[in-house]
Amino acid sequence: DAGVTQSPTHLIKTRGQQVTLRCSPKSGHDTVSWYQQALGQGPQFIFQYYEEEERQRGNFPDRFSGHQFPNYSSELNVNALLLGDSALYLCASSRDRVETQYFGPGTRLLVL
Amino acid sequence: GEDVEQSLFLSVREGDSSVINCTYTDSSSTYLYWYKQEPGAGLQLLTYIFSNMDMKQDQRLTVLLNKKDKHLSLRIADTQTGDSAIYFCAESPLTTGANNLFFGTGTRLTVIP
Repeated sequence: DAGVTQSPTHLIKTRGQQVTLRCSPKSGHDTVSWYQQALGQGPQFIFQYYEEEERQRGNFPDRFSGHQFPNYSSELNVNALLLGDSALYLCASSRDRVETQYFGPGTRLLVL
Repeated sequence: GEDVEQSLFLSVREGDSSVINCTYTDSSSTYLYWYKQEPGAGLQLLTYIFSNMDMKQDQRLTVLLNKKDKHLSLRIADTQTGDSAIYFCAESPLTTGANNLFFGTGTRLTVIP
């Protein structure tokens, strides 16, 4: 049973560029959440997707957007990258809103 | 708003018990979680407790919940060097209408051989 997978594992971008990160949820899961973990901090909730709609959003600007596909996989897009967007981006999946979330290995983004 | 606090560091000797503490603010939280993060890795779910429980035991792990004081602890018995990692406490408040998590800053556990 495959767990949550994310791609790519590492990414280097420059300020002002755009980036797309990808996530495939654990088998049987239909809800995907994205978190940003800055160095030395706990993860912070970005948003959650369910039934291809953004259901909840944390305190992140509109530069952060996402998408969920019919197969439940998801993308996180960040536009106009800032140095402060450098972080580990974690995807988590669950079965709808009441279930425990399981995390992927993350994508480490470095913005220069 | 939600605020989860943890002490930053804990050192224990191999074979001793470790106790990691956490305080949270949202009394509506239905579930409280402990996650483990090893260097360069994602988060591994260790255990969780439903808010109407006081204690949960799972092999070497014991979770204690004091709902009145909004205090959660994780006890690791017979701590091993492989337990060295960062441990995050997280709450899932009912008020958000979803199961998104609010994390503390993590406690770095160092196990001394």
